[in-house]
Amino acid sequence: GEDVEQSLFLSVREGDSSVINCTYTDSSSTYLYWYKQEPGAGLQLLTYIFSNMDMKQDQRLTVLLNKKDKHLSLRIADTQTGDSAIYFCAHEAAGNMLTFGGGTRLMVKP
Amino acid sequence: DTAVSQTPKYLVTQMGNDKSIKCEQNLGHDTMYWYKQDSKKFLKIMFSYNNKELIINETVPNRFSPKSPDKAHLNLHINSLELGDSAVYFCASSPTGLFSYEQYFGPGTRLTVT
Repeated sequence: GEDVEQSLFLSVREGDSSVINCTYTDSSSTYLYWYKQEPGAGLQLLTYIFSNMDMKQDQRLTVLLNKKDKHLSLRIADTQTGDSAIYFCAHEAAGNMLTFGGGTRLMVKP
Repeated sequence: DTAVSQTPKYLVTQMGNDKSIKCEQNLGHDTMYWYKQDSKKFLKIMFSYNNKELIINETVPNRFSPKSPDKAHLNLHINSLELGDSAVYFCASSPTGLFSYEQYFGPGTRLTVT
């Protein structure tokens, strides 16, 4: 069954911050990833965080990891209409295989 | 309760062989997909398929072919395997329409061609 869970939908206004959340159950995760999928396209790797880090910032993106609660979040500052997409979290555990959440659709309103 | 399953999880084979990777979903979804993960962890869409429509990414070699015996299965058949086919392949499914926001991924199949 699913051991990576995400909320299905998030709607924000342009210029606001977006926060997409993800929970996972596998405590052996080494790396955790955020992917972006635009309509009809593959999944593009946005950013990742190593499991011994709490936070990683990359321009408008901030990843927060609470390893105790097994909670991962992606914050997008100053959200733009071009950020509208589906966002997947994934974790990498034994054998370097990825396990994906079901995806969160982010809709940005002008 | 495995939602999307793939077999085998690991596949090691020699160049020139023909192999299949199986995918099954027990979610009652209409649409299934195959993705190939490249070395930079980008997942490239290879095929999307529902009961009515097969969409093939034109960059996928015709040695790759999806086969769907029924709505719950979408198998990936690969002819004349090449070294460059070594990758992790993910199957996914979604409930309605192409690229609906819920996509459930299988565990992946790591293919190694020697």
